Amino acid sequence: GAVVSQHPSWVICKSGTSVKIECRSLDFQATTMFWYRQFPKQSLMLMATSNEGSKATYEQGVEKDKFLINHASLTLSTLTVTSAHPEDSSFYICSARDPGGGSVYTQYFGPGTRLTVL
Amino acid sequence: AQSVAQPEDQVNVAEGNPLTVKCTYSVSGNPYLFWYVQYPNRGLQFLLKYITGDNLVKGSYGFEAEFNKSQTSFHLKKPSALVSDSALYFCAVPDLSGGSYIPTFGRGTSLIVHP
Repeated sequence: GAVVSQHPSWVICKSGTSVKIECRSLDFQATTMFWYRQFPKQSLMLMATSNEGSKATYEQGVEKDKFLINHASLTLSTLTVTSAHPEDSSFYICSARDPGGGSVYTQYFGPGTRLTVL
Repeated sequence: AQSVAQPEDQVNVAEGNPLTVKCTYSVSGNPYLFWYVQYPNRGLQFLLKYITGDNLVKGSYGFEAEFNKSQTSFHLKKPSALVSDSALYFCAVPDLSGGSYIPTFGRGTSLIVHP
């Protein structure tokens, strides 16, 4: 099946710094990727839709200047948390659909990145 | 708007016993329904989906789900639970409008299988 990777898996940073998280589709090309945020024992909250070669589409309430998304190629999307604060600490998960796969409805998820801001 | 509901925050079951994780849905038109599993500090893994066809859908790791239109339910089941099945389970329904197919997730149910 399709594989999505994320790097890093765990990051700790100081308040005020910026952190970049990478999401890669390893064996397929993804024109669209999705970024989610998950708080402990809660469901996933869609933050934005990342479109290759164009601007990301952010969900209501998500600060686009705070969470910068770049989808520079068909296999890579990045999420940069700028000027991070402790309240940004969370589990960030990306996903993608495999357009060449069996179902356009099935999402493939990365393993997630645990961000802790001190 | 399409939505799914998982009425239980947590399900406890003894190893070897059958398990059920509940999901009900509210959609317009024919529902497409999914189950995902999340192990600690990991992303979601696809378990199974219902698009059309047989009401009983078989998926990964011995799981199955039964689509029940009259009860608007899509409960996840397994005949004999394993300790390794302990995880967070999400029911989801994709947004079919506009071709985005972005899933809306239930709040998740924590399954705890006791040895």
